[in-house]
Amino acid sequence: EVQLVQSGAEVKKPGESLRISCKGSGYRFTSYWISWVRQMPGKGLEWMGRIDPEDSYTNYSPSFQGHVTISTDKSIGTAYLQWSSVKASDTAMYYCARHHSGAYWYLDYWGQGTLVTVSS
Amino acid sequence: AIQMTQSPSSLSASVGDRVTFTCRASQGIRNDLGWYQQKPGKAPKLLISAASNLQSGVPSRFSGSGSGTDFTLTISSLQPEDFATYYCLQDYNYPYTFGQGTKLEIK
Repeated sequence: EVQLVQSGAEVKKPGESLRISCKGSGYRFTSYWISWVRQMPGKGLEWMGRIDPEDSYTNYSPSFQGHVTISTDKSIGTAYLQWSSVKASDTAMYYCARHHSGAYWYLDYWGQGTLVTVSS
Repeated sequence: AIQMTQSPSSLSASVGDRVTFTCRASQGIRNDLGWYQQKPGKAPKLLISAASNLQSGVPSRFSGSGSGTDFTLTISSLQPEDFATYYCLQDYNYPYTFGQGTKLEIK
């Protein structure tokens, strides 16, 4: 069974660094890209970027480029989303999702989400 | 970036109704479009890929159609568990972009 299990909720102060994780299981981790999606409170879904775990090649949305870093550790089948300095506006739910592999690249499996709260 | 515009933003309907949502792309995206259902407090769930391919385990009352710039998601007979927010997502090129969502509410 394919599963993406994300790390637990985080509460941070502005300016702190943060890394959240997404562990894949039930499939070959390096064969499927991973995307991250943000959902701010009461708002819609925003695609942030994706990574190919095989070679760590990334694409970012211009809205998030330079603000976050997506990475993986393929030895443990885990993808990461990290911030060097969080802001209050980073308060949101963050989802990881696996891309289907083939002619189409839709997001077929999703993690349960990680709630990030940034408050002084 | 490709803009995805969903309509309506919200919709009130009754159990048993047939409802249709629309998603329009600002440029042609072939059929590289998925529909996702999200219930409160839950992760999104893929319903339809490649504009019209129903995912395994998704009830057959859901159907999708379209190509190019105009797409529709239809629920043929609403069930209580269908009340949720629905999003389209273009996976044609980067950055991927979601529509703003259609919230389906009980009348």
